[in-house]
Amino acid sequence: QQQVKQSPQSLIVQKGGISIINCAYENTAFDYFPWYQQFPGKGPALLIAIRPDVSEKKEGRFTISFNKSAKQFSLHIMDSQPGDSATYFCAATTGTASKLTFGTGTRLQVTL
Amino acid sequence: DAGITQSPRHKVTETGTPVTLRCHQTENHRYMYWYRQDPGHGLRLIHYSYGVKDTDKGEVSDGYSVSRSKTEDFLLTLESATSSQTSVYFCAIGQGTGELFFGEGSRLTVL
Repeated sequence: QQQVKQSPQSLIVQKGGISIINCAYENTAFDYFPWYQQFPGKGPALLIAIRPDVSEKKEGRFTISFNKSAKQFSLHIMDSQPGDSATYFCAATTGTASKLTFGTGTRLQVTL
Repeated sequence: DAGITQSPRHKVTETGTPVTLRCHQTENHRYMYWYRQDPGHGLRLIHYSYGVKDTDKGEVSDGYSVSRSKTEDFLLTLESATSSQTSVYFCAIGQGTGELFFGEGSRLTVL
């Protein structure tokens, strides 16, 4: 079963716009929620992450919003740029082994 | 970039043949992981290791085995490859903080 559900599957945003990707999880034991960015032909790389003791984390143009009661978290990319065009994965994990459970990915295209 | 090397980067093989993918790290990270990436499924954990000779199964471990005889090397073996194992395989390393560092992937095609 899929423990982390991600939407949308694909997203097209104009340059300067806001990109929003949503994820929902089922396992209440999850305590670390990262977002990974992947460019074609490359491995995923950590973009930003949050723990459930805060509702929001911002790093530059990237913000994670976290709603513990709804078991949802989202990635907001402000002032989206063509260089942000990539596939984004949300993930969740618990425990020291850090076995990440990934969402199915969102392919973002930022147009000029 | 984290020092992770995967080999081979590309491989084409036939159904029923054995295949071994190698992951080598220079970061001395405790944890090593093998994921497979398929369209519509994201990345799914095959096996992981929490130390030399210490391994455990992930969510899609059937048909795969792993070995870790040294801290720096983690091998993924398909004993008898099937077409359903055509995929991109990623090795990752971590220190138990939650952050994983991924290699550049190994694309395997089973004909």
